[in-house]
Amino acid sequence: DAGVTQSPTHLIKTRGQQVTLRCSPISGHKSVSWYQQVLGQGPQFIFQYYEKEERGRGNFPDRFSARQFPNYSSELNVNALLLGDSALYLCASTPWGAQETQYFGPGTRLLVL
Amino acid sequence: QQQVKQSPQSLIVQKGGISIINCAYENTAFDYFPWYQQFPGKGPALLIAIRPDVSEKKEGRFTISFNKSAKQFSLHIMDSQPGDSATYFCAASIMGDDMRFGAGTRLTVKP
Repeated sequence: DAGVTQSPTHLIKTRGQQVTLRCSPISGHKSVSWYQQVLGQGPQFIFQYYEKEERGRGNFPDRFSARQFPNYSSELNVNALLLGDSALYLCASTPWGAQETQYFGPGTRLLVL
Repeated sequence: QQQVKQSPQSLIVQKGGISIINCAYENTAFDYFPWYQQFPGKGPALLIAIRPDVSEKKEGRFTISFNKSAKQFSLHIMDSQPGDSATYFCAASIMGDDMRFGAGTRLTVKP
C-alpha cells in the first residue's frame, strides 16, 4: 500500500506570493492533518480535517487555509508568503477509529526568498 | 505553542549503549504520548506510544517510561545501533487532536 504522498517535494517562492501544497492520505484514512516544521524544531500543528470538516486549527494566521476533498485528499494554501514561512510542510493521515495514530508523508520543503 | 519540553538537544552514544531522551509536559489533559523517529529528508515515523494509565511500555529495544505525577516521560533505546542515528521527537495530544511536539533530539550512535 502506498503511504501518504505529498506534492510537490520542493518549492521556491518569493515574498508575497501564494502557494498550494497537496496531500493524498493512505487509502481508507479519512482524517488529514497539516504541520509546519521549521529547520531544527519539532512539527507545529496547523490544521486537522476529518470527513471534509475542519476539526482543529493551530495558532497560525489567517493566511493559512486548507480544505479536504470528497476523496479525502487535502490542500494547504498559504497567501502573502513571508520569509518565515520557509519550512517543511508535513501532512499526516489517520485511520478510522485510531485518531492518535498519525502516518506522516515525506513533506514539501518550501523556501521563500 | 510548545507545551512539551524535550532534552537533550543532541546525544552521542557508543554502539551497544543506552540512549535516554526526556520530555516534560504541562497540560494534564494530554492522554496520548507518542515518540517519533525522523531521518533526514523523511517525515516522522511513529516509534512507540503510551497512555497515562500505564507507567512503562516496551517494544523491542525501545521503552517508554511514564511518570504521571511528575508530568514526565522518557524514551530508552537499549543496545543502540548506528542505524538508530536520527532525530527523535516526543509528542502529546488529547485524543489525537492538536498534537504538540517537542523540539527534537538528534541522536548519533558511534560504531
